[in-house]
Amino acid sequence: DVVMTQSPLSLPVTLGQPASISCRSSQSLVHIDGNTYLNWFQQRPGQSPRRLIYKVSKRDSGVPDRFSGSGSATDFTLEISRVEAEDVGVYYCMQGAHWPLTFGGGTKVEIK
Amino acid sequence: QVQLVESGGGVVQPGGSLRLSCAASGFTFSTNGMHWVRQFPGKGLEWVAFMQYDGSIKYYKESVKGRFTVSRDNSKNTLYLQMNSLRAEDTAVYYCAKESPQLGYYFDYWGQGTLVTVSS
Repeated sequence: DVVMTQSPLSLPVTLGQPASISCRSSQSLVHIDGNTYLNWFQQRPGQSPRRLIYKVSKRDSGVPDRFSGSGSATDFTLEISRVEAEDVGVYYCMQGAHWPLTFGGGTKVEIK
Repeated sequence: QVQLVESGGGVVQPGGSLRLSCAASGFTFSTNGMHWVRQFPGKGLEWVAFMQYDGSIKYYKESVKGRFTVSRDNSKNTLYLQMNSLRAEDTAVYYCAKESPQLGYYFDYWGQGTLVTVSS
């Protein structure tokens, strides 16, 4: 199985400051169809996960543009340009290039 | 708007069975692949099973193969997960999630989840 490793586990941030989460995969996530299937999800306390980013850098509808994704092959990053109070929660990366689909362990974003 | 509503969770003894349902609305269910994903108490996410839009392809996580069966009824816009021989380690919130081939496939919408507790 492809192992997805996120860091840090916990990320205390000051409101209005940037935040960055890293995700590394044990294999390249470039699919045979040429796409790179790396997604990012946000899970606010008490809620279901919500997809923010698909195929590395494409924002889902309604996702604020302060969220951005980047990376390639095995190294990926989710950035929040200016953290707001509503961004508190756990963020997960997930790969869809290989079966079984696998998630990272999560990064908890909290306000300092 | 897209809605996915899971039901069927509950408390079951080890070795028991449960059938989860996921009622879908707001999109053309019969043209979308569907997944089950679980979340262990206080912990991360784990993909469990997938069924292609027409039922022709199914995939399972290795640890549930032979015990769980995914199925769907496109006439009822409903996805199912039959869970047999349940173990304590299957205790989790179970979510259904849809695919969107036009938007990167995986998990563009999730349900609210249903809790399965396996305990004696």
